[in-house]
Amino acid sequence: LAKTTQPISMDSYEGQEVNITCSHNNIATNDYITWYQQFPSQGPRFIIQGYKTKVTNEVASLFIPADRKSSTLSLPRVSLSDTAVYYCLVGYSNDYKLSFGAGTTVTVRA
Amino acid sequence: NAGVTQTPKFRILKIGQSMTLQCAQDMNHNYMYWYRQDPGMGLKLIYYSVGAGITDKGEVPNGYNVSRSTTEDFPLRLELAAPSQTSVYFCASRPGTSGTFLELFFGEGSRLTVL
Repeated sequence: LAKTTQPISMDSYEGQEVNITCSHNNIATNDYITWYQQFPSQGPRFIIQGYKTKVTNEVASLFIPADRKSSTLSLPRVSLSDTAVYYCLVGYSNDYKLSFGAGTTVTVRA
Repeated sequence: NAGVTQTPKFRILKIGQSMTLQCAQDMNHNYMYWYRQDPGMGLKLIYYSVGAGITDKGEVPNGYNVSRSTTEDFPLRLELAAPSQTSVYFCASRPGTSGTFLELFFGEGSRLTVL
């Protein structure tokens, strides 16, 4: 499992776009990048997974540059309900020991 | 579609007592995990299992034990409870080797207080 570094916290306002960058300098060739969202008093929820370039779903977009040493989770037009902790996880299917870092606390204000 | 089910949701223990947190999944996932989360902190991996009969330690295994006799169930045993084990415990599972293989499915959590 690759070591990841994320900002501890970010503040935003409703309607803005939030971009959270995760650094993973020692990412391996076979590794994928995954993001999770955790609301208070709930377990984390899978948001998106990608390998390179750009992946988009109904919740977020994931941008991965060519060198894959970082990735950016983009949350378009956030609302108060997007206030949560966001975790970046980098690994491969054979990474059995999945550990989470501290994550990024995103606070959306009215 | 139940997913990952944890019981109990809440429990208060006295110091020195023992208990088992139950976790069951109905998705036929091979990989299962137990995490703990202290207030304001990230998740710490306690134990994990890659299949029935196979378990291994995570980052913080001391004071806990697990077993995996079936694919569906992965109970976590707390022996001699201590105040430091006051936390929220999450069980999770994932299919393993296909599709979004890093997608963990989490239970709703079990909030444990040791007094």
